[in-house]
Amino acid sequence: NAGVTQTPKFQVLKTGQSMTLQCAQDMNHNSMYWYRQDPGMGLRLIYYSASEGTTDKGEVPNGYNVSRLNKREFSLRLESAAPSQTSVYFCASSGDFSGANVLTFGAGSRLTVL
Amino acid sequence: AQTVTQSQPEMSVQEAETVTLSCTYDTSENNYYLFWYKQPPSRQMILVIRQEAYKQQNATENRFSVNFQKAAKSFSLKISDSQLGDTAMYFCAFMKPGGVVRFGAGTRLTVKP
Repeated sequence: NAGVTQTPKFQVLKTGQSMTLQCAQDMNHNSMYWYRQDPGMGLRLIYYSASEGTTDKGEVPNGYNVSRLNKREFSLRLESAAPSQTSVYFCASSGDFSGANVLTFGAGSRLTVL
Repeated sequence: AQTVTQSQPEMSVQEAETVTLSCTYDTSENNYYLFWYKQPPSRQMILVIRQEAYKQQNATENRFSVNFQKAAKSFSLKISDSQLGDTAMYFCAFMKPGGVVRFGAGTRLTVKP
């Protein structure tokens, strides 16, 4: 079982460049999430999709956009990258938005913006 | 908004000993869920244990157990018989039903041989 797959694993960008982080899950989960992890700040929610066809802002959405392409895929786009977006990004999914929302995580994507 | 506080940025323990990681949270909800996630050096996030607030019994998973004090809004993780493979970042997390999972800042645990 692949679980949650996110690509790329590493990326270096220059300020102002754009890029898209891809995420796919094969567990037939309804809900998907993008978090960023920064030292001393834990994981902060950027955007989430409670179900196919819906997306909502999390704690730190500025500078990002998302697309829930279908039930399996949830992408995160940086339109004009800034050094403050240097971080490790995690995609996660869960079976249901209600109940005990146990998250399954991807392996993470380390993004550096110069 | 709910907040999760982990007051110990770093901890260490000798192999085979017991260690307790602290977590407090702030909420006005009566029903919610609490989690501990582990992130080893591989960076993969793994669920360690979860607790439902309406259950008074503390959750246990092998060497991992929690001390859930609802009135004090405290949710500590006890690791017994620590092993080298327990070296990791540990994140406490909170979720209310129909909501998203919010994480604390994490505690870096080092198990020393």
